[in-house]
Amino acid sequence: SQQGEEDPQALSIQEGENATMNCSYKTSINNLQWYRQNSGRGLVHLILIRSNEREKHSGRLRVTLDTSKKSSSLLITASRAADTASYFCATDKAAGNKLTFGGGTRVLVKP
Amino acid sequence: GAVVSQHPSWVICKSGTSVKIECRSLDFQATTMFWYRQFPKQSLMLMATSNEGSKATYEQGVEKDKFLINHASLTLSTLTVTSAHPEDSSFYICSARPRGTYNEQFFGPGTRLTVL
Repeated sequence: SQQGEEDPQALSIQEGENATMNCSYKTSINNLQWYRQNSGRGLVHLILIRSNEREKHSGRLRVTLDTSKKSSSLLITASRAADTASYFCATDKAAGNKLTFGGGTRVLVKP
Repeated sequence: GAVVSQHPSWVICKSGTSVKIECRSLDFQATTMFWYRQFPKQSLMLMATSNEGSKATYEQGVEKDKFLINHASLTLSTLTVTSAHPEDSSFYICSARPRGTYNEQFFGPGTRLTVL
């Protein structure tokens, strides 16, 4: 069964706007990771946030983690058409363990 | 660095035949490789964890006799779909964890399998 649920399932925005997506999970974790997948392609790792971290930035990406609510959010600022993709969160329950993926959010950035 | 390749990138086969998919870590050694299946517009579902030199660990509901996994070297794992049926049509993605790391996984580009 999937660990994470993502919200929204799909998101359509204009270029330049921000995109926010959320991920909830059920059990305790060691870390949470976000990935991007372009249509029909493999996954690209975006960012990893550990359970003792609350916020992390990487370029136009901002990830938050609230372990009390078992949730995380991914914010893409100043979106570009090239950001059009599916975004997945994945949780790792213990270091060296397997990843469990959320359902994904399909983001469409219109030029 | 940290490139993972898959071959073939797509394959079409007849029902009842077997198909082998290769996953290679090109510039690092991987003690652990993972195999995922992804149906259209759905998430990745882990099928099995493959450790070099030992038997793969399959997730609940995945038939080990149908999905044969071999991890014979630190840079190669193979997934063989035996006696494929149309319901096995899917996107198969592998990932590899570099030796000595615990949190990283690098993903291959995926293999699209269509069973007629």
